[in-house]
Order: sequence, then C-alpha cells, then structure tokens
Amino acid sequence: DQQVKQNSPSLSVQEGRISILNCDYTNSMFDYFLWYKKYPAEGPTFLISISSIKDKNEDGRFTVFLNKSAKHLSLHIVPSQPGDSAVYFCAASAGGTSYGKLTFGQGTILTVHP
Amino acid sequence: GAVVSQHPSRVICKSGTSVKIECRSLDFQATTMFWYRQFPKKSLMLMATSNEGSKATYEQGVEKDKFLINHASLTLSTLTVTSAHPEDSSFYICSAAGEETQYFGPGTRLLVL
Repeated sequence: DQQVKQNSPSLSVQEGRISILNCDYTNSMFDYFLWYKKYPAEGPTFLISISSIKDKNEDGRFTVFLNKSAKHLSLHIVPSQPGDSAVYFCAASAGGTSYGKLTFGQGTILTVHP
Repeated sequence: GAVVSQHPSRVICKSGTSVKIECRSLDFQATTMFWYRQFPKKSLMLMATSNEGSKATYEQGVEKDKFLINHASLTLSTLTVTSAHPEDSSFYICSAAGEETQYFGPGTRLLVL
C-alpha cells in the first residue's frame, strides 16, 4: 500500500523555467511533509518542509504548496537551474515533526536542460 | 547542516557472510536513528527505528534476526546483515534525528555474490 505517491517518474524542463513536482498521499494522519533531493549513490538532502497548519512555505527558489482537502502537495522550483537535476522525493510524517518515521514517495527524476 | 557518515560506502561480500554497516552523527547527538533500504529506481523503505540504549523497532516484514541493529551510543548505530544472500543486495541509508529534521548519511551499497 503506497501511502505517498509521486505519479510522475520523470520531468524535463528548460533552464530558467518553472519545475513543478507533485505528490499525493492517502494517510489522513500525515501532518508534516518534506521534500528531499537525492543524487545517485548519495543520501537524500533536505530541501524544504511544510506543516499541515500551513498551505504554503517558501525558501528562496523553492516553494511547497499543500492542499489538505485534496491530500496533495507540490514543489515549485523557480527559476530551474541545471544543478537542480536530481531525484526528488516527497516524504510524510505523522506527529507534526520530521523526527519520526518518514514515508517516502517513489521519487521523480528532474532534468533541467541548459 | 548536520553531518551523518556511513561506513563502508560500498561492500561486496560472499553469500552466507555477515556485513556490518556503521552510521555516525558527526556533530550532534542523536537519540534516534533510522535505517532505510532503497531498491533500484524505488522509494526509500524504512526498515527500523534505532533508539539509543534500547531495542530497535522493526517495520512489518523486516526480519529482526537478519538485520541486527545496535545503537550503542548517541552518535553511533550499526546495522549487521547476517548470513547475507544476493537478494539482500541493495542501497542502505541511515538517518539521524537532529534538532530540526532528519539528516541522512551518504548510503552504503551492498552487493552479495
């Protein structure tokens, strides 16, 4: 049972444009969501997070939107840069923090073309 | 951000042998560490939660006698894959719970021949 789903295995965008990565979840107990960036043979690197009490969180070029009624979140990267090319995982936690168990989506491979 | 290391980064072993993977939090103390496994082109699957000074909590379907976890100190957790078989070949990643989030190690690639 995949509780966190990233339905797009890959995304290709042009440098300077917006990248939008999507994530859906099914477990209503999830109340904290995170996005991680991962390169091959490396561990995930934390990008940005959002609590369920918010619907938007912004950090530089990265913005995460949360739609609780739709159980959907998205990561916007503007403007996209070639260095953003990596696998992006969304993750969810129940308990209001990221200290506990994280459930990950399958990942989306982002490729940003110069 | 905080630094978490894993050792070794890559290991090849014969079927039937045991392999130990270390996870260290280098600049902070972590009472809780997590062990994940990632299959090729798949998600990270939580295997177990490791708490300093107590027994690990394993996720459903993970054999605790096969994947031995020890969290002997606030900066070190170890995962031992006992009697490894080719199906245990995978990418194993640990994380340590810090003040703001979990910090992940670089991962260990295990190949069992």
